Amino acid sequence: GENVEQHPSTLSVQEGDSAVIKCTYSDSASNYFPWYKQELGKRPQLIIDIRSNVGEKKDQRIAVTLNKTAKHFSLHITETQPEDSAVYFCAASIEGSQGNLIFGKGTKLSVKP
Amino acid sequence: ETGVTQSPTHLIKTRGQQVTLRCSSQSGHNTVSWYQQALGQGPQFIFQYYREEENGRGNFPPRFSGLQFPNYSSELNVNALELDDSALYLCASSRGTGSYEQYFGPGTRLTVT
Repeated sequence: GENVEQHPSTLSVQEGDSAVIKCTYSDSASNYFPWYKQELGKRPQLIIDIRSNVGEKKDQRIAVTLNKTAKHFSLHITETQPEDSAVYFCAASIEGSQGNLIFGKGTKLSVKP
Repeated sequence: ETGVTQSPTHLIKTRGQQVTLRCSSQSGHNTVSWYQQALGQGPQFIFQYYREEENGRGNFPPRFSGLQFPNYSSELNVNALELDDSALYLCASSRGTGSYEQYFGPGTRLTVT
C-alpha cells in the first residue's frame, strides 16, 4: 500500500525566514496531495493541495511543488509569522481509492519572533 | 455554509464498553470519511461512507463500524473498546468520493481506561 514519509519532524525558524517541509510517497498511482495545518487542540485545516497534472501551486505565502518522477512533494512557506507555528501534515491519495488519504507523521513548525 | 461538526467533544469509556461518535457533514457534501489520530501521529483512515454505504476501509477490525444517514451525517461505532482505542477521532466531509478536498471536523477525544 501507499506510504508517505515526511521530514523534518521538527523545524524552528526565525520570523520572516522561509520554511520547507518535504514528503515522499511510494505509490506512483497517487494523484492528489493535500497539506493540512493543525494547531494544538484544533482540527486539521486544509491549506493547499496539488494534483498530479501540475508541478507547482501558490497561494500567497504558501506554495507546493510536486516531482512525480522522484515521487516527492514539498510545502514552502515564505515570510513566516508566529501564527504559522503548528503541526503540518502532508497526505497522498490514490485515484480510485475512494479518497483514502494516507498521512505523513507531521512536522512541528515553530516560528520565533 | 456550515462546517463539519462532531459530537461529543470528549468522552471517557471503560475497556470493553461500546461508543458512538457523531458527525454532521458540511453543507453540499455527500461523503464522510473517518480517521483515528493517535497522539503525535498523523490521522489514519478508518472508512468512508457515500450514499449510506461503506465505500472503502482502512486497516481497522470489524468492531469499528459506521452508518451514514439520508442527510449525509454519519456515526462511528466502536465495540469492545481497548486501551489502544484512546485517540482523537476525526471525520472529514467531501463533495464526493475520489480525490476531492476533505474538510475535517473538530474531532472527538476518546479516552479508554
